[in-house]
Amino acid sequence: AQSVTQLDSQVPVFEEAPVELRCNYSSSVSVYLFWYVQYPNQGLQLLLKYLSGSTLVKGINGFEAEFNKSQTSFHLRKPSVHISDTAEYFCAVSDQGGFKTIFGAGTRLFVKA
Amino acid sequence: EPEVTQTPSHQVTQMGQEVILRCVPISNHLYFYWYRQILGQKVEFLVSFYNNEISEKSEIFDDQFSVERPDGSNFTLKIRSTKLEDSAMYFCASKTSGNTQYFGPGTRLTVL
Repeated sequence: AQSVTQLDSQVPVFEEAPVELRCNYSSSVSVYLFWYVQYPNQGLQLLLKYLSGSTLVKGINGFEAEFNKSQTSFHLRKPSVHISDTAEYFCAVSDQGGFKTIFGAGTRLFVKA
Repeated sequence: EPEVTQTPSHQVTQMGQEVILRCVPISNHLYFYWYRQILGQKVEFLVSFYNNEISEKSEIFDDQFSVERPDGSNFTLKIRSTKLEDSAMYFCASKTSGNTQYFGPGTRLTVL
């Protein structure tokens, strides 16, 4: 079984500042890792994913994440945030059979002017 | 770009009534999913469906829930007798044999 822990429920940050949203996972099998973003009253949009290969993954909107197998982490980063990045961010893991995806509790990123 | 679509966007029903939530997955996708998100909480897996049968289901997906692919395009979630605690956003997702699920915009279910 897999589980996902997002270490921060809310992250307030000023515009143009860097941000890191933390995610740890546990699994007894190899997994794929994902970050999704959910804007208010909208569905889930895939930001980026790690399947294999390079541990640094780049996604949309200037976000990137680094897979660290020894620390079982997949933290999301952006060097300079915008007001429009205000949203809920979900870290997720799926087994490589892809029959289900387990989500973390979410981190609300709030970008202040 | 193809998208997963869901109807209705918002469904209001009385406790004890049956509801059917509808999804149209992306046309060449083979795997179909339902998730739910209770307001302010995390997204929870309900069920996956492949080759016309359930592949996996969570403990939430009890006898009150069922899924069906009645034709070549729709994928439905039925709740037989709704409870107040079924109020949530329900997301449909689909994928090919690859690894990325594509999510629909969701249906907000309100049970009164």
